[in-house]
Amino acid sequence: QSALTQPASVSGSPGQSVTISCTGTSSDVGGYNYVSWYQQHPGKAPKLMIYDVSHRPSGVSNRFSGSKSANTASLTISGLQAEDEADYYCTSYTSSNTPCVFGTGTKVTVL
Amino acid sequence: EVQLVESSGGLIQPGGSLRLSCAASGFTVSNSYMSWVRQAPGKGLEWVSIIYAAGSTYYADSVKGRFTISRDNSKNTLYLQMNSLRAEDTAVYFCAKGQSPTELAFWGQGTLVTVSS
Repeated sequence: QSALTQPASVSGSPGQSVTISCTGTSSDVGGYNYVSWYQQHPGKAPKLMIYDVSHRPSGVSNRFSGSKSANTASLTISGLQAEDEADYYCTSYTSSNTPCVFGTGTKVTVL
Repeated sequence: EVQLVESSGGLIQPGGSLRLSCAASGFTVSNSYMSWVRQAPGKGLEWVSIIYAAGSTYYADSVKGRFTISRDNSKNTLYLQMNSLRAEDTAVYFCAKGQSPTELAFWGQGTLVTVSS
């Protein structure tokens, strides 16, 4: 099972919006509404930000939103803040013999 | 409060074995999707293995046949038995609890496993 494809990096100024894409296939992203997004700061464990494509866990800022179109899922961070600078990973359920696959990861830089 | 505490990793020679444990509190391991995810130094997250509440287990192709996931319900603890370790298994290993294979809401602090001679 190949990793889902994410851009290596995205950047934006405080207050702007940035969008991270996560591209898979019809066997994973396109086939199921089980896409999640994680935020990871250096040296820390990942934190769940979005699950089931667009649902936010309790306590996660509404500046984070998720969506999906065909084989590509997206995470949008609105009103970018310094604390949003981190690595972000998508993950999807898959129909292969391994039920979960992660994306390649995207580093978000706040300029 | 949900807590996951992994055992210490360590330095292991190639071909060696190590068992990681993940002690859970605040919930019941046997009622949850429990996963192991690893991260090689400077690299991205890699899904390793999962055990479903019903007991089904799945593995990444990179560890299949070498790693075994299990749980001890009496100790409320998750395990990862790692055999025939290779240099490429060097990583921080995280255990995680989820409502589904992809919805991993709670994570342990991670433990470093280094495979080197």
